[in-house]
Amino acid sequence: AQTVTQSQPEMSVQEAETVTLSCTYDTSENNYYLFWYKQPPSRQMILVIRQEAYKQQNATENRFSVNFQKAAKSFSLKISDSQLGDTAMYFCAFMPDRNYGGSQGNLIFGKGTKLSVKP
Amino acid sequence: ETGVTQTPRHLVMGMTNKKSLKCEQHLGHNAMYWYKQSAKKPLELMFVYNFKEQTENNSVPSRFSPECPNSSHLFLHLHTLQPEDSALYLCASSQDWVGRRNTEAFFGQGTRLTVV
Repeated sequence: AQTVTQSQPEMSVQEAETVTLSCTYDTSENNYYLFWYKQPPSRQMILVIRQEAYKQQNATENRFSVNFQKAAKSFSLKISDSQLGDTAMYFCAFMPDRNYGGSQGNLIFGKGTKLSVKP
Repeated sequence: ETGVTQTPRHLVMGMTNKKSLKCEQHLGHNAMYWYKQSAKKPLELMFVYNFKEQTENNSVPSRFSPECPNSSHLFLHLHTLQPEDSALYLCASSQDWVGRRNTEAFFGQGTRLTVV
């Protein structure tokens, strides 16, 4: 069974500083996708960044970047120059890459990390 | 706003009530999903619809009944729920998996359900 583990239930960071959120996963799949989602108090789950397992290069999206270590099954999120608007729950998620008829849409989520950005 | 709208935002219902949650997307997506988000637990996939056909039922109790009349609308009919069913119910949609590299799911804001 695939599982996603986020070992940090809560974290805080000062505005403008850098913070790294941890995520590890367990799977026997070779092809898959990894995601970080952000859920602010408005509750809407917003995609922050995604990584395709066949790509060795780490994904980046403005102030957000990942450190993808496939052998270690690790997928951490780095937020640079933290802003107050980054305060939210952050969820790491995994999805196997399947052919037609597979479990499409089965995003497997971790329990989340609550990030607070302090002024 | 991601283009996925859920109503109502909040719902309180008794255990003997029948209610429905609604999800609507106008993104041209062909796949829609229901997720359950309980406190201190990972999001759980409940149902998946592809081209209006249910393709996943993740061992969900029959007191939850999904309906997908067309690719833009998804309902979750609720009947004889239990207090432990209280949770945030999230709807999501994505492009159909024919373009299988396109795997981004867009979520609604959820319905906060309380069963009393």
